Amino acid sequence: GQNIDQPTEMTATEGAIVQINCTYQTSGFNGLFWYQQHAGEAPTFLSYNVLDGLEEKGRFSSFLSRSKGYSYLLLKELQMKDSASYLCAVWDSNYQLIWGAGTKLIIKP
Amino acid sequence: GAVVSQHPSWVICKSGTSVKIECRSLDFQATTMFWYRQFPKQSLMLMATSNEGSKATYEQGVEKDKFLINHASLTLSTLTVTSAHPEDSSFYICSARSLAAESGELFFGEGSRLTVL
Repeated sequence: GQNIDQPTEMTATEGAIVQINCTYQTSGFNGLFWYQQHAGEAPTFLSYNVLDGLEEKGRFSSFLSRSKGYSYLLLKELQMKDSASYLCAVWDSNYQLIWGAGTKLIIKP
Repeated sequence: GAVVSQHPSWVICKSGTSVKIECRSLDFQATTMFWYRQFPKQSLMLMATSNEGSKATYEQGVEKDKFLINHASLTLSTLTVTSAHPEDSSFYICSARSLAAESGELFFGEGSRLTVL
């Protein structure tokens, strides 16, 4: 079956750095997405990785290793507004989006 | 970026009634739109893929006669929850993929929170 694993919850301190990991086993791979979702709101797009390596976008970076079936989202200089759920999703060989359960990130002052 | 508008944002209805939710891509054409449902503290669950001009493709376990999807144009898809019951209370979210977006990014509507009394 297809499976995406990410931690259920993480806690970090304002101003610090946090890394949210995602591992996947899917039938084929056409890219990996990270979305941010605040409680009660729709997800918003953060990043898309299809090639191995690190993609940096401001305070957020996303890394992909296709051979390991692994990605991480790195958040720097954490702000209270970064408290949200972070969803990892993979496009399989049929371009069907497989979603992880999400990681709830709690930022403490 | 591309905008997807969803309406209504909130809806409360009596058990047994039907509710229609609209999803519009405002500044791009979307041949495919996706409908998701999200229960509290759970991840998004894909309900169906809506294809313009053809029948929707439903995920396993989703009743197609209960969740009617119509994708009549390249900018509008509708989800109708028929004979709604309290267990249908959920957050319904649509998304669309812009053909022009190289990354294949999905653009999400604001979501519609349905409460069935």
